[in-house]
Amino acid sequence: QKEVEQDPGPLSVPEGAIVSLNCTYSNSAFQYFMWYRQYSRKGPELLMYTYSSGNKEDGRFTAQVDKSSKYISLFIRDSQPSDSATYLCAMRANSGYALNFGKGTSLLVTP
Amino acid sequence: GAGVSQSPRYKVTKRGQDVTLRCDPISSHATLYWYQQALGQGPEFLTYFNYEAQPDKSGLPSDRFSAERPEGSISTLTIQRTEQRDSAMYRCASSLLAGDNEQFFGPGTRLTVL
Repeated sequence: QKEVEQDPGPLSVPEGAIVSLNCTYSNSAFQYFMWYRQYSRKGPELLMYTYSSGNKEDGRFTAQVDKSSKYISLFIRDSQPSDSATYLCAMRANSGYALNFGKGTSLLVTP
Repeated sequence: GAGVSQSPRYKVTKRGQDVTLRCDPISSHATLYWYQQALGQGPEFLTYFNYEAQPDKSGLPSDRFSAERPEGSISTLTIQRTEQRDSAMYRCASSLLAGDNEQFFGPGTRLTVL
């Protein structure tokens, strides 16, 4: 079993919808939690990251981490067609520099 | 440079041949990472460099895989005696310092082993 699990989707929503993307993990040593966005034929780009538990908001995006449940979420408000991409969660421990990625969730926002 | 670049973008080779992939990181970045990304999967860590040092190569799947960064800038990943299961996207990333959560990824090299 992989350390980071993520439903690959695909997820299709209408423009303006609220999107919820999630990952679970098994390694309690993970302290840094990131969301990367990957457009087709491009490399992943960092959207946002959080340290330990809690919430972080950046514009239409909110990241949540619940370490007690080993569960992280990314919410996208007022979704736009330009949000259509694959969203990858990633995480790492304090002691390591390698990122552990989920397999990514493919999101399609239709006009 | 403006971003991370990788070459070639596509490589097709026959089983048993050696291949070398190149990564040119952002010029000010000390740390460089190599990942392997299979279709429909997230990137899997292979190894990383801090300048020319290679503190962690735990993700390299076998001794057929090796990487180097002799002058602390450009890096190469070499796969010897390629096998079909080596077919994947190979992504390079760099960060300003080791431990930075923002890694800047290159466009990748798509390797196909026939």
